[in-house]
Amino acid sequence: GESVGLHLPTLSVQEGDNSIINCAYSNSASDYFIWYKQESGKGPQFIIDIRSNMDKRQGQRVTVLLNKTVKHLSLQIAATQPGDSAVYFCAENSGGSNYKLTFGKGTLLTVNP
Amino acid sequence: GAGVSQTPSNKVTEKGKYVELRCDPISGHTALYWYRQSLGQGPEFLIYFQGTGAADDSGLPNDRFFAVRPEGSVSTLKIQRTERGDSAVYLCASSLGLGSGELFFGEGSRLTVL
Repeated sequence: GESVGLHLPTLSVQEGDNSIINCAYSNSASDYFIWYKQESGKGPQFIIDIRSNMDKRQGQRVTVLLNKTVKHLSLQIAATQPGDSAVYFCAENSGGSNYKLTFGKGTLLTVNP
Repeated sequence: GAGVSQTPSNKVTEKGKYVELRCDPISGHTALYWYRQSLGQGPEFLIYFQGTGAADDSGLPNDRFFAVRPEGSVSTLKIQRTERGDSAVYLCASSLGLGSGELFFGEGSRLTVL
């Protein structure tokens, strides 16, 4: 969801649970979407991507779902681990190219041991 | 190096001063990007290089900002007459090309303008 000022949406889960992070994207013309993970003090790290001709893509412990009808993207993390604690950003290529990404405001995931 | 290297990691300057931020991309990556991240926000696109040329600089906020990549490797982001609103983390990223959105980001240069 959207955040106001410095207040990021937050998700707190127990270690071993599955996590679902949601994102509403803005541009119906976007055709490429990416999830990034950002740990404190580090740059964003690529997790998984999906093109608009797909509605689901799986990686290692992660799944991205795309619903173009409602412009919604989600990231599912299976068996969440403490090392998954970070801010997660969805990004879209609203400029029409892969290099010009528009990032959302992020969701803070906290995994409790 | 193994990853994207950015220097300095922290820069504190006074309003009105000139600042240079350096990015050393992953060896062999032809594409280089600068993004800016304010506190509590996602990164915002500034400029993209393919080789030596700036293919898209539409994200630069005004003409005080300029970036170069003279030999197609290291890039420098230059900010003239800094303002307090320029305070942010400046992120550099590189990639092999335009095949995917898998950008490899550095740890950023945190700029604070007093």
